[in-house]
Amino acid sequence: DTGVSQNPRHKITKRGQNVTFRCDPISEHNRLYWYRQTLGQGPEFLTYFQNEAQLEKSRLLSDRFSAERPKGSFSTLEIQRTEQGDSAMYLCASSFWTGGTGELFFGEGSRLTVL
Amino acid sequence: GEDVEQSLFLSVREGDSSVINCTYTDSSSTYLYWYKQEPGAGLQLLTYIFSNMDMKQDQRLTVLLNKKDKHLSLRIADTQTGDSAIYFCAELAPPSNTGKLIFGQGTTLQVKP
Repeated sequence: DTGVSQNPRHKITKRGQNVTFRCDPISEHNRLYWYRQTLGQGPEFLTYFQNEAQLEKSRLLSDRFSAERPKGSFSTLEIQRTEQGDSAMYLCASSFWTGGTGELFFGEGSRLTVL
Repeated sequence: GEDVEQSLFLSVREGDSSVINCTYTDSSSTYLYWYKQEPGAGLQLLTYIFSNMDMKQDQRLTVLLNKKDKHLSLRIADTQTGDSAIYFCAELAPPSNTGKLIFGQGTTLQVKP
């Protein structure tokens, strides 16, 4: 399967711990997006990369959150000093952007539960 | 700012048509999308419409766009139990070169046999 892959699928952690999620996009895609989805809500934009450059960060992305895409391929999203309010599904999506529709292909998400 | 609103729940009988509605606020959005999310799965793109169109049909799916009222709808003909899922409306947020989508809160479609 050559879709967007996210790991781990589910992470349970205690408040105050750090967690890291990984996203492997579709190989030829130059853009990668991170979204957060809480129960009963639609996905909310967090940040996106074009190749290795992080081009935009949402106000939702506090200083405890950091995302990287070091070689323009996979990406990591790290949350430091987790809080219960960080509990959510973290979705990664990729696209091959040349303008136009820029269809996003989503992974199955990484669910974070902070106890 | 951008905002996308949807009704939260729709229940239909198998074989009936389903119509899911969405309103958006940004009149400069160039593309509008419908995504489907099944339990435990990621979002799957169903269809999209360019803002200069008012209708798009794709097999059982019909998208209607009323740009004046900023209203988008998704009609599913002959709804099946396998169509039960959450449906998200999304707009391509300006400036469109970010490729960033703004999603509604989703409509849960329940299809009764």
